[in-house]
Amino acid sequence: AQSVTQLDSHVSVSEGTPVLLRCNYSSSYSPSLFWYVQHPNKGLQLLLKYTSAATLVKGINGFEAEFKKSETSFHLTKPSAHMSDAAEYFCVVSDQGGKLIFGQGTELSVKP
Amino acid sequence: KAGVTQTPRYLIKTRGQQVTLSCSPISGHRSVSWYQQTPGQGLQFLFEYFSETQRNKGNFPGRFSGRQFSNSRSEMNVSTLELGDSALYLCASSPYTGEDTQYFGPGTRLTVL
Repeated sequence: AQSVTQLDSHVSVSEGTPVLLRCNYSSSYSPSLFWYVQHPNKGLQLLLKYTSAATLVKGINGFEAEFKKSETSFHLTKPSAHMSDAAEYFCVVSDQGGKLIFGQGTELSVKP
Repeated sequence: KAGVTQTPRYLIKTRGQQVTLSCSPISGHRSVSWYQQTPGQGLQFLFEYFSETQRNKGNFPGRFSGRQFSNSRSEMNVSTLELGDSALYLCASSPYTGEDTQYFGPGTRLTVL
C-alpha cells in the first residue's frame, strides 16, 4: 500500500530565507508524487509532479522537489520564502488506480 | 479554460438532514473525484466517477453517495447527516480515469449543527 509521511506539521521561516518541507513516501512500485498547496479557505493547487522523467522537479512559484529513491524522500524546497508562500502544503502519492493519498500537511508560516 | 467549480461554497444543515453538493469539472475532463477534508482525519478519498460510472470508492459509509451526468458534472449526496460530517468537500477532475494528475475546485464547506 502507498503512504506518505510529512515529517513536520509546522515550519516557520523568515521572509527571504530558504524553505524545506520534508516528505517520505512508501510505495510498492515506482510512484507518482505530488506537492499541492492550500491557502486559507481555498482549494488545492498543484505545485509540481514527479513521474520518473527527472529526479529534480521544478514547479510553480519557484518551488522544486527532489525525488530520492534510496531515501524514499520527496522534499520540497524554495531558495527564498515570500510572505505569499504562507499556506498548508500537502505531499501526495497516487495509487495505481489514480486515487490520491495525502500526507497530513505542513503549515508554513513566513515571518517578515 | 475555466477551472473546477463547486456549488454551493457554504452550507449549514442540521443532524438528520440530507445534502447534495455539485461539481463541474474542467471542460473536457471526464473523471471526477471527491475528497473530504477534516482537521482530524485530513484529506480522504470518497469516490471517483468516470463516464457516469463509479470507478473507485473510499472507506465511507453508504450514507455517502454520488453520481455523474452525461456532461461529466457530478453530485455527491450525504443522507442522515451527522455532526462528524462537517468538513470541506473537495472535488477534483482529470481527463481520464486512472490519471493521477487531478485539479481541484475551491470546495464546499459543510457545517452540521
